[in-house]
Amino acid sequence: GNSVTQMEGPVTLSEEAFLTINCTYTATGYPSLFWYVQYPGEGLQLLLKATKADDKGSNKGFEATYRKETTSFHLEKGSVQVSDSAVYFCALTSTKTSYDKVIFGPGTSLSVIP
Amino acid sequence: DAMVIQNPRYQVTQFGKPVTLSCSQTLNHNVMYWYQQKSSQAPKLLFHYYDKDFNNEADTPDNFQSRRPNTSFCFLDIRSPGLGDAAMYLCATSRVSFGGHLNEKLFFGSGTQLSVL
Repeated sequence: GNSVTQMEGPVTLSEEAFLTINCTYTATGYPSLFWYVQYPGEGLQLLLKATKADDKGSNKGFEATYRKETTSFHLEKGSVQVSDSAVYFCALTSTKTSYDKVIFGPGTSLSVIP
Repeated sequence: DAMVIQNPRYQVTQFGKPVTLSCSQTLNHNVMYWYQQKSSQAPKLLFHYYDKDFNNEADTPDNFQSRRPNTSFCFLDIRSPGLGDAAMYLCATSRVSFGGHLNEKLFFGSGTQLSVL
């Protein structure tokens, strides 16, 4: 079945460091891929998305490229800030299966220290 | 400006005492979802409504029920909460187009943190 795997956290970085959070997926068909972010005490919100192979999603300095050949959607940011401290979830939906399935990865906690 | 509103933010109940969590939306979305999120884990889909059609996940316990009296409101009822039901409960909405493809985002509420004593 469809699934999402993320690198384990927590990840701790100094401000202005480079961030990579790895995400790989298993899916039938051609899924859409998402990164959601959850700040402390809040619900999830969409950070970026990509709906087909080689698409690059970007928002707030974060980027991720849909790599079908490696079934990956790694999240990157060139210079993190303290305000980026949150839990990041990689997720997918498959357009060949029931529309309702949004599969989330286990989440990666990021702490950015000044 | 809040678009998906969950009440209350924190809910404390007693073991075995029924509890209801509520969710409302101002987005006029046709699909509403309930997720359970335990600490340091991914949100787990419990069930969802596509308009008035209820869709239960196969592994959702019978202890969990839901109601959607109209487009704007959706309720999660836990008939007999156990200690293992303590979690964050997240409501989300989306608009699914004709044909059923979801490639747009989910809109989440801030969640209700449920404690069971």
